[in-house]
Amino acid sequence: GEDVEQSLFLSVREGDSSVINCTYTDSSSTYLYWYKQEPGAGLQLLTYIFSNMDMKQDQRLTVLLNKKDKHLSLRIADTQTGDSAIYFCAESQSGYNKLIFGAGTRLAVHP
Amino acid sequence: DTAVSQTPKYLVTQMGNDKSIKCEQNLGHDTMYWYKQDSKKFLKIMFSYNNKELIINETVPNRFSPKSPDKAHLNLHINSLELGDSAVYFCASSQLTGDQPQHFGDGTRLSIL
Repeated sequence: GEDVEQSLFLSVREGDSSVINCTYTDSSSTYLYWYKQEPGAGLQLLTYIFSNMDMKQDQRLTVLLNKKDKHLSLRIADTQTGDSAIYFCAESQSGYNKLIFGAGTRLAVHP
Repeated sequence: DTAVSQTPKYLVTQMGNDKSIKCEQNLGHDTMYWYKQDSKKFLKIMFSYNNKELIINETVPNRFSPKSPDKAHLNLHINSLELGDSAVYFCASSQLTGDQPQHFGDGTRLSIL
């Protein structure tokens, strides 16, 4: 079946690292994605990882993938107030590239 | 130079009316999508077209009819609008070959009175 789960809320202090976790059920997923949605805005592609990789780093963002446990995480280093948003984890299945989204994690960054 | 653009950004209308949302992408992608985001922010795919052909059609009422005149455009027409249709509708596009990531528009917020 298709199911992607995320915790709903995360609160961090400015300057700390944030870690947002996601689990998925479909082992045939080819890519896993992180999208960011700021209030009233669209979905911004942050980063993505191919299912045969276990880590990807892009500036302040680090994605870790544990394919055995079907667990994906997004670490944001030196979190800033501008990082406050909803972060969506999504998996895609090969072929039609259909995205299955998690419910989103609302990240709040406080001083 | 917007990559995926949707119009209108806001749409307020009465129950029972028919409305359309337009989407255009200038990324040269061959596949376009419509997603619905409900009031709890949950996102679900509705339709997908590849080179003007329907390839994904989730369980969506047939009041919703997508139309793709060419691969750069995917419009969504909704007949007999209901209160439950209130949501944000997102258009996206991607290159299907190689499972390239989807790029999203800014969304159309539809409110039914």
